[in-house]
Amino acid sequence: AQTVTQSQPEMSVQEAETVTLSCTYDTSENNYYLFWYKQPPSRQMILVIRQEAYKQQNATENRFSVNFQKAAKSFSLKISDSQLGDTAMYFCAFMAMNRDDKIIFGKGTRLHILP
Amino acid sequence: KAGVTQTPRYLIKTRGQQVTLSCSPISGHRSVSWYQQTPGQGLQFLFEYFSETQRNKGNFPGRFSGRQFSNSRSEMNVSTLELGDSALYLCASSLLVGELFFGEGSRLTVL
Repeated sequence: AQTVTQSQPEMSVQEAETVTLSCTYDTSENNYYLFWYKQPPSRQMILVIRQEAYKQQNATENRFSVNFQKAAKSFSLKISDSQLGDTAMYFCAFMAMNRDDKIIFGKGTRLHILP
Repeated sequence: KAGVTQTPRYLIKTRGQQVTLSCSPISGHRSVSWYQQTPGQGLQFLFEYFSETQRNKGNFPGRFSGRQFSNSRSEMNVSTLELGDSALYLCASSLLVGELFFGEGSRLTVL
């Protein structure tokens, strides 16, 4: 069974700093997707970034980028020039590219951006 | 384009009662999945429906059930409520693989 582990339950950084959220996963699958989802306080969860395992190039979306290390089964999220609006719960997620394609989420990292 | 709509947003029930939660997906999205979110367990997958058929099911007891209608709207039902069922229940619809669009959730409190 696949598992997703986020080892940092909570983090705080100053506005404009760069922060990295860690995520590791365990799977025997070779083809899969990885995601980072963001859940702002009292607001809907949204997809931040997505990575296909077969792609070696790390995905980027504006200030958000990932460091995907397939061999190490690591998928960290880097937020550059952090903004107050980045304050949220961040969930790392895994989905295998097979028939049983449910998404498995980590327990989340609560990120506080301090003014 | 309207987002995912969940009703009711908040509800309070007592142990032993049952509850039905509703989810209207984004127009055109045929896949609807449900998650239970609690502070201790995080997000746990309940089930997924696609074109009125349950495609996946998580590790929850049979008290948790769901269905999807021909217009893709989905409902989930929890019978014989327990205190531990208190949670935020999230519904998500999707069109592309893994790209979930979440509703604001239904917060259930069981007393």
